Amino acid sequence: AQKITQTQPGMFVQEKEAVTLDCTYDTSDPSYGLFWYKQPSSGEMIFLIYQGSYDQQNATEGRYSLNFQKARKSANLVISASQLGDSAMYFCAMRLEGQGFSFIFGKGTRLLVKP
Amino acid sequence: DVKVTQSSRYLVKRTGEKVFLECVQDMDHENMFWYRQDPGLGLRLIYFSYDVKMKEKGDIPEGYSVSREKKERFSLILESASTNQTSMYLCASSPSGQSSYEQYFGPGTRLTVT
Repeated sequence: AQKITQTQPGMFVQEKEAVTLDCTYDTSDPSYGLFWYKQPSSGEMIFLIYQGSYDQQNATEGRYSLNFQKARKSANLVISASQLGDSAMYFCAMRLEGQGFSFIFGKGTRLLVKP
Repeated sequence: DVKVTQSSRYLVKRTGEKVFLECVQDMDHENMFWYRQDPGLGLRLIYFSYDVKMKEKGDIPEGYSVSREKKERFSLILESASTNQTSMYLCASSPSGQSSYEQYFGPGTRLTVT
């Protein structure tokens, strides 16, 4: 079954430190996309980063990087130099081409950045 | 910029009422989605649509229906609202084609059913 698992319901990190949010996925499809979204307390979902299943290199977007380990089926989000504004819910998601292009979301990880 | 708008940010309805949640996107996207979000459960897909008048059930379609008469508009309908439908409802859209296309979300509607 297609599934996204985020095992950390909540995490703390000290400001300016790096933090890794875990995400594992399960699919037998060869072609898929992996996404991370941020949801601040205001509620909007903000796209952060994307990794394609055929991409050879890990995706990076500013302070965000995606540690993609295909054999382990993991797609962890790394946030470097955490800021207070990074406090939010973070969702990992997978998009499958053969499933009507619908997305599967994990349950999310709440990150709190301590000053 | 892609824009997805939802008709209300907050809504309070009574049990048994018929409720319409409207979503409009302005980027000519083929795919549109309705999710509900509850604490500890993440986002759960209710319905999605990949074309006008086409719809597919998601993971939790019971108690909901949808309508897509125009490409830019996707409506979620609660035929007879119940208290267990109190939740945050998120609409999203995306282009079709490649698995790389991200979803663009609306601001959400927080629905309370009393």
